[in-house]
Amino acid sequence: NAGVMQNPRHLVRRRGQEARLRCSPMKGHSHVYWYRQLPEEGLKFMVYLQKENIIDESGMPKERFSAEFPKEGPSILRIQQVVRGDSAAYFCASSPAGTRGEQYFGPGTRLTVT
Amino acid sequence: GNSVTQMEGPVTLSEEAFLTINCTYTATGYPSLFWYVQYPGEGLQLLLKATKADDKGSNKGFEATYRKETTSFHLEKGSVQVSDSAVYFCALSASGGSNYKLTFGKGTLLTVNP
Repeated sequence: NAGVMQNPRHLVRRRGQEARLRCSPMKGHSHVYWYRQLPEEGLKFMVYLQKENIIDESGMPKERFSAEFPKEGPSILRIQQVVRGDSAAYFCASSPAGTRGEQYFGPGTRLTVT
Repeated sequence: GNSVTQMEGPVTLSEEAFLTINCTYTATGYPSLFWYVQYPGEGLQLLLKATKADDKGSNKGFEATYRKETTSFHLEKGSVQVSDSAVYFCALSASGGSNYKLTFGKGTLLTVNP
């Protein structure tokens, strides 16, 4: 059973470009979460999605950031017009329904903005 | 708001030494508590959990007890191995409607030398 997959593992973007981060949840999981880890910080919750629905985006910056989890295909975290402060590790996690706090994490995407 | 504070690393031990990583939390109500572990190049994995006061979570020789009176969930292992070298994250999920959201500590890097 494949785990949570994220790609790319490393992404370099220049300031002003767009970054697209992909996450394929574990088979059978319909809940996806995105977290961001800034240097020297713990992981911070960004957004929680179920298929075709955003359930909670309270941790996501209001501008430039968006997330989706379509009926078919991976979840996408999109960052428009990246700035140096967006440089971080972005982790995706998934879970089946009803498993409070028990989430399965991908290896992360390390975004570097130059 | 909710928060988790864990002992700063890095921690370096010799094989077969005793390990303690301290973790305290701030939360209203009755959170669930977790320890996650991240091995090099991999995603976070759930190591153990406890869902109510005085519960003890255990796995792979690691233990942690949910202490509500001291708001703590310290991780312990009696005899560490080189293969335990990893980053350890303490986390909580709050009680109530946002219980899917994990709040993490900053992580503690453990290195075990042969």
